[in-house]
Amino acid sequence: QQQVKQSPQSLIVQKGGISIINCAYENTAFDYFPWYQQFPGKGPALLIAIRPDVSEKKEGRFTISFNKSAKQFSLHIMDSQPGDSATYFCAASMLPGNQFYFGTGTSLTVIP
Amino acid sequence: SQTIHQWPATLVQPVGSPLSLECTVEGTSNPNLYWYRQAAGRGLQLLFYSVGIGQISSEVPQNLSASRPQDRQFILSSKKLLLSDSGFYLCAWRLGGGREETQYFGPGTRLLVL
Repeated sequence: QQQVKQSPQSLIVQKGGISIINCAYENTAFDYFPWYQQFPGKGPALLIAIRPDVSEKKEGRFTISFNKSAKQFSLHIMDSQPGDSATYFCAASMLPGNQFYFGTGTSLTVIP
Repeated sequence: SQTIHQWPATLVQPVGSPLSLECTVEGTSNPNLYWYRQAAGRGLQLLFYSVGIGQISSEVPQNLSASRPQDRQFILSSKKLLLSDSGFYLCAWRLGGGREETQYFGPGTRLLVL
């Protein structure tokens, strides 16, 4: 059973455009929602994360929007650049707890 | 600062051979440790996690096993590799005891079973 559902599976965006990746979850006990960025052949790296007590968090060109009532959260990449081309994973976890539940990943390609 | 190491970086092994992948973490104590497998173009599959020395939780039935002989060492093993064991193996750590939210990944080991 997939605890976190991610879409789309792949995304192609023009340079300068906005990339949007969506995730949905069922378990209302989740209280930490990170996004990871993974380049080919590398381990995932934490990009940005949010707790459910806020609806939005912005770090540079990256923004997480969180809708607690809909149990959805999304990653917005503004002014997308070719260097943003990577696979993005959303995840959810609860504290205290030991496990992270990952989405299936989105392969983003930014065309120059 | 904390650092996580994995080796080897790449491994090519014949079917039926044994496997040992090692992960170590520096700069922290009593971390939670995790092994994930990522098939080509796929998501992250949690294989094992450990909250302390000798404590291993398995997530999926398979011919792999894990051990944690020391606080900051996590080993993934197999007695006989299968073709389906090919993939990208990632070790991750997280501060234990619910004190830290984030999970940090190592650089990964790419395993090809022929």
